[in-house]
Order: sequence, then structure tokens, then C-alpha cells
Amino acid sequence: GQSLEQPSEVTAVEGAIVQINCTYQTSGFYGLSWYQQHDGGAPTFLSYNALDGLEETGRFSSFLSRSDSYGYLLLQELQMKDSASYFCAVTRRGNSGGYQKVTFGTGTKLQVIP
Amino acid sequence: ETGVTQSPTHLIKTRGQQVTLRCSSQSGHNTVSWYQQALGQGPQFIFQYYREEENGRGNFPPRFSGLQFPNYSSELNVNALELDDSALYLCASTSLGTSRKRNEQFFGPGTRLTVL
Repeated sequence: GQSLEQPSEVTAVEGAIVQINCTYQTSGFYGLSWYQQHDGGAPTFLSYNALDGLEETGRFSSFLSRSDSYGYLLLQELQMKDSASYFCAVTRRGNSGGYQKVTFGTGTKLQVIP
Repeated sequence: ETGVTQSPTHLIKTRGQQVTLRCSSQSGHNTVSWYQQALGQGPQFIFQYYREEENGRGNFPPRFSGLQFPNYSSELNVNALELDDSALYLCASTSLGTSRKRNEQFFGPGTRLTVL
């Protein structure tokens, strides 16, 4: 089977750094994505890691260790607008050619406080 | 703005009815996926269409069906609605084969379906 685990809630102070972890179990793994979703909004893409290591995009960084089936999203210089749900998502090989299945975790609700 | 639109925004149906939800993908995106998101949960994969053919399906019964059209629009049809079908339905488009951000999906704003 397959599974993803991430913390359900995280609280952090404005200006601080927060790390959201994600562990996964799956076969045919291609990569790990992160999405942000504000209440009432649609998920928006943040990052994708297919190889081990750190990917940096502005204040956000994402890390992957394929051998540990583990990744994390790092948010620096937190702002109030970063309060949202963050989902890790595994992309894996589907059952037919050209098909890649994306499975989302249950999400981490980040609350940024002043 | 992702360039992906969905209609309607909200919909109320009764148990046993049928519903059709619509999605317009970004121009040039050859792949559309549909997701169901219950309150407080992550999006659950329903199925994916690639060049107008279903090429992947999640753990949803056959009463969930879809179509993809050449003009980058698609539909999700749900027959014999059940109370548990109440959720936010999201479509997401992407272009398989784009090398750099191959796995970036562009989500629409969703349709909130309530089944009474």
C-alpha cells in the first residue's frame, strides 16, 4: 500500500522559521511535491523534488531523501499570509503508460502568530 | 490565477440525483485530473484524462465518470449521488512532457457540492 504522514497542525511566530515534515511509503516513486491551500481556496504548487537534496525558491525550500522516504518543507521569515494548509504529495508510476498518479497527504495546518 | 476555471462554484443536489461539473484547463495542457476534497482532508484522486482518454483512476466507483474535450475542457459526472459525495471537487491541469516543472498541477477554484 501507500501512505503519507505529516503533522496535522503547526504554530509558529511571525518572522521565524518552520519545518513541515512528510514521510511516505509507496512503490514506483517519482517525486514529492508541496502545495499550499488557503481556507476556501485551491491548492497552489510550491515545489517538486525528484532527486535527493534541497530545492530553494525564495523563502520556501523543500528537501527530499529518497532512501529515507522523507521530505520537508522549510518556510523562512514567516509572514501572516503564510497561514494556510500545506500538503505533501507523492507522484508515482500509474498502472498505464504515461500516467502518473499524485497522492496527497492529509495536510498540515500552519498558524502564524504575531 | 492559474488559468483553470470551474463551474458552477456551488451546487446543491439531493440524494439519488446526477450532477455534471465542468472544468476549463489552461491552453496547451493535455492532462486533467479530478480530485475530491472533503473538509479537513487532502485532495483524493478520482481520475486523470490524457488526450481525451482516461489513463488512470483512483478508488472511486464507476458512478464517477468523466470526459475530456479537444478544447481543453472536461467534465466530471456523478450518478446516484450519496450524502458522502458532499465535498469540494477540484480539477487540475498539467502538461505531461514539460521537462522542467513536469509535476506542477494547476488547480481550479473548485466546485462545492452539497448533497442533501
